[in-house]
Amino acid sequence: GAGVSQSPSNKVTEKGKDVELRCDPISGHTALYWYRQSLGQGLEFLIYFQGNSAPDKSGLPSDRFSAERTGGSVSTLTIQRTQQEDSAVYLCASSLGGQGNTGELFFGEGSRLTVL
Amino acid sequence: LAKTTQPISMDSYEGQEVNITCSHNNIATNDYITWYQQFPSQGPRFIIQGYKTKVTNEVASLFIPADRKSSTLSLPRVSLSDTAVYYCLVGAMDSSYKLIFGSGTRLLVRP
Repeated sequence: GAGVSQSPSNKVTEKGKDVELRCDPISGHTALYWYRQSLGQGLEFLIYFQGNSAPDKSGLPSDRFSAERTGGSVSTLTIQRTQQEDSAVYLCASSLGGQGNTGELFFGEGSRLTVL
Repeated sequence: LAKTTQPISMDSYEGQEVNITCSHNNIATNDYITWYQQFPSQGPRFIIQGYKTKVTNEVASLFIPADRKSSTLSLPRVSLSDTAVYYCLVGAMDSSYKLIFGSGTRLLVRP
């Protein structure tokens, strides 16, 4: 696609429910990143993928968070048993990746999650 | 991982030049310096990137001293629409890297 696409744009859920957030990166981008941004705060790194593998998962806040990427394209961030502190905007970014690339990140518009 | 430090906020007036400095004392040899701009309810967007010396594009200039331990984003003649949060990001050039954003600088441009 023309840009990074995220869905849903807004999600309201009840505490304890599971949610899935989807990111469709720019075609051909091998690197994909997830960030979380709480209201008025900076970007908190969650996880990145190079292809389908995630070399570093240490940014995920707890074991309730997981992410996968299939086919080197679409990624899904899953939050199980949501808590109110999970309320935030979840941003996805993609990048060309690979040697010689300067790593410019292209961000989606984000998925705003509200846990009641 | 190179940690970055920026001022939390800055105020300016329309038509002025604004310089935002970012410190990154432990920058690595392969790291590039990239600045992003974020408006409310939007994802950040790329402004400018550099490795050393000076880079200029149609919206900004980036000054990087020889030791690369800091960088300065320069916005010439700001307008109200430049009110945003500006992030300095330091990361390796192949993008296979854990890219950590700093806390950002909230720029307010007044009439």
